[in-house]
Amino acid sequence: GAGVSQSPSNKVTEKGKDVELRCDPISGHTALYWYRQRLGQGLEFLIYFQGNSAPDKSGLPSDRFSAERTGESVSTLTIQRTQQEDSAVYLCASSLSGWNTEAFFGQGTRLTVV
Amino acid sequence: GQNIDQPTEMTATEGAIVQINCTYQTSGFNGLFWYQQHAGEAPTFLSYNVLDGLEEKGRFSSFLSRSKGYSYLLLKELQMKDSASYLCAAYNTDKLIFGTGTRLQVFP
Repeated sequence: GAGVSQSPSNKVTEKGKDVELRCDPISGHTALYWYRQRLGQGLEFLIYFQGNSAPDKSGLPSDRFSAERTGESVSTLTIQRTQQEDSAVYLCASSLSGWNTEAFFGQGTRLTVV
Repeated sequence: GQNIDQPTEMTATEGAIVQINCTYQTSGFNGLFWYQQHAGEAPTFLSYNVLDGLEEKGRFSSFLSRSKGYSYLLLKELQMKDSASYLCAAYNTDKLIFGTGTRLQVFP
């Protein structure tokens, strides 16, 4: 596609439920990033994919968080047993090679856990 | 280790010049990015410096000193629409790490 696409744009879920967030990167971009941004805060790195491999999972906050990527395409971020502190905007970005190249962001998924 | 620092907030007047500083300590540094983020929107790319010196792009310029681990974003002829957060980012080996952002408020 023309840009990075994320779905859903908004998600309200009950505490304890699982949620799945989707990211479609720009076609041909091998690198894909997930970030979390709480209200008024900066971007917190979660995980990075090069192709379908995740060399760095160090940013995942807990074992309730996991992510997958199919080839050099779609990625899903799954949060199990959601907690209120998981409420944030989850941003996905992709770049051509993940090395000295500009990252393009999707519009994010705003997750609210009630 | 990795650390990117920038001021939390700045204010300036329409038509003025403002400089937003960023210091960084990352492993395998290979260049520094600046992004702009308006409230409620995704970050958008502004500039990228890999060599020392000043890169000029219209009203915006970005400077890098690799030896000092320092960069700044210079915004000239400020407009009200420049009110936004400005994010400094660098690759830590192969992952892109962001500072917490500087919230710039432009007043008439």
